[in-house]
Amino acid sequence: NAGVTQTPKFRILKIGQSMTLQCTQDMNHNYMYWYRQDPGMGLKLIYYSVGAGITDKGEVPNGYNVSRSTTEDFPLRLELAAPSQTSVYFCASSWTGGTGNTIYFGEGSWLTVV
Amino acid sequence: DQQVKQNSPSLSVQEGRISILNCDYTNSMFDYFLWYKKYPAEGPTFLISISSIKDKNEDGRFTVFLNKSAKHLSLHIVPSQPGDSAVYFCAASELGGNQFYFGTGTSLTVIP
Repeated sequence: NAGVTQTPKFRILKIGQSMTLQCTQDMNHNYMYWYRQDPGMGLKLIYYSVGAGITDKGEVPNGYNVSRSTTEDFPLRLELAAPSQTSVYFCASSWTGGTGNTIYFGEGSWLTVV
Repeated sequence: DQQVKQNSPSLSVQEGRISILNCDYTNSMFDYFLWYKKYPAEGPTFLISISSIKDKNEDGRFTVFLNKSAKHLSLHIVPSQPGDSAVYFCAASELGGNQFYFGTGTSLTVIP
């Protein structure tokens, strides 16, 4: 029972490089999210999607892009990586948003920009 | 602007005793609250939730209390076990909202 799967687990990027963090879920959830967690900080929402073809910005979207072409997949694209994007990234999903719903997380992707 | 706050970054408790983790929020529109547990190098996992129509919810050793007038919730773990050592996040969402807002986490250490 896979749940939410993220790849890669670890990655080192050079400043200015680009990469995509992959996320897929097998629970047929409508909502998907990308969070980042910096040391001593909580989880900050980067982008979220309420269904295929629909995405919206969260608290900290600058420097990132997303797409949602299928229910299962929600990749996060980093363009022109900067040291400020060094963080742990978590993909998550839920049936819908808000009241009564549980959000399920992937295991995280550790990204270092040097 | 942090809408969900966990003011204690860390807490140490003796095995068998009660652990109390606290969380405060500022948005009066929040009506659903969750607690998550996170071990190092893993993603957060759901622990327990509470709706604003309740003031208490229990699941085994875990109980969440909600005080709406104070905009405060707490997670009680009784009795605490060494395997409970982890970072605990509280989260909240608004009625009809699309997002979950997370606190900064409290690192719990249960001493054997």
